[in-house]
Amino acid sequence: QKEVEQNSGPLSVPEGAIASLNCTYSDRGSQSFFWYRQYSGKSPELIMSIYSNGDKEDGRFTAQLNKASQYVSLLIRDSQPSDSATYLCAVNRSGAGSYQLTFGKGTKLSVIP
Amino acid sequence: GAVVSQHPSRVICKSGTSVKIECRSLDFQATTMFWYRQFPKQSLMLMATSNEGSKATYEQGVEKDKFLINHASLTLSTLTVTSAHPEDSSFYICSAYRFGYEQYFGPGTRLTVT
Repeated sequence: QKEVEQNSGPLSVPEGAIASLNCTYSDRGSQSFFWYRQYSGKSPELIMSIYSNGDKEDGRFTAQLNKASQYVSLLIRDSQPSDSATYLCAVNRSGAGSYQLTFGKGTKLSVIP
Repeated sequence: GAVVSQHPSRVICKSGTSVKIECRSLDFQATTMFWYRQFPKQSLMLMATSNEGSKATYEQGVEKDKFLINHASLTLSTLTVTSAHPEDSSFYICSAYRFGYEQYFGPGTRLTVT
């Protein structure tokens, strides 16, 4: 059973600080990695996707991938109260043509005003 | 981003009845659609993968005769929960995949079985 592990939190950061979210995965063949944000009672919303080692920045969000360590992270700069949500790490399953995702349990982030 | 709709958003049904949930990709043709289930404080669990015109592929432990999936077109997939029981109460979410892009999630359907 391929797994995606996340610290469930809650992770509390003050407004304006950097929030750091981490994720490890077990499927070495995975090639696509995603971060989703999920507000309570809502469906997930794609925040970032990353496919190659290194950093990828989009506004206040930076995703980092290290395939050798099977580790992916998300940094949120200048955290805002509206960033308070559960962040889900998702990893595609290895295998030709596999678009299926395995999700972690999510890290609950709380940004304190 | 692409838009995926689900209907209904909430449904309450009695034990033993069947419920149909629709998932539509509104502005693109989805090569594949996925159905997930999420229990409170749990992550999304993939139930099945659906390709237009072919039978759905179910995840281990998901009863295909209980959760009927029909993917009649590139923009519509339906999930029917047959003979629903209270333990089927959950948040059901579909996603639509467009080749070369990501999965786009619908808003979800909250099912309560009484």
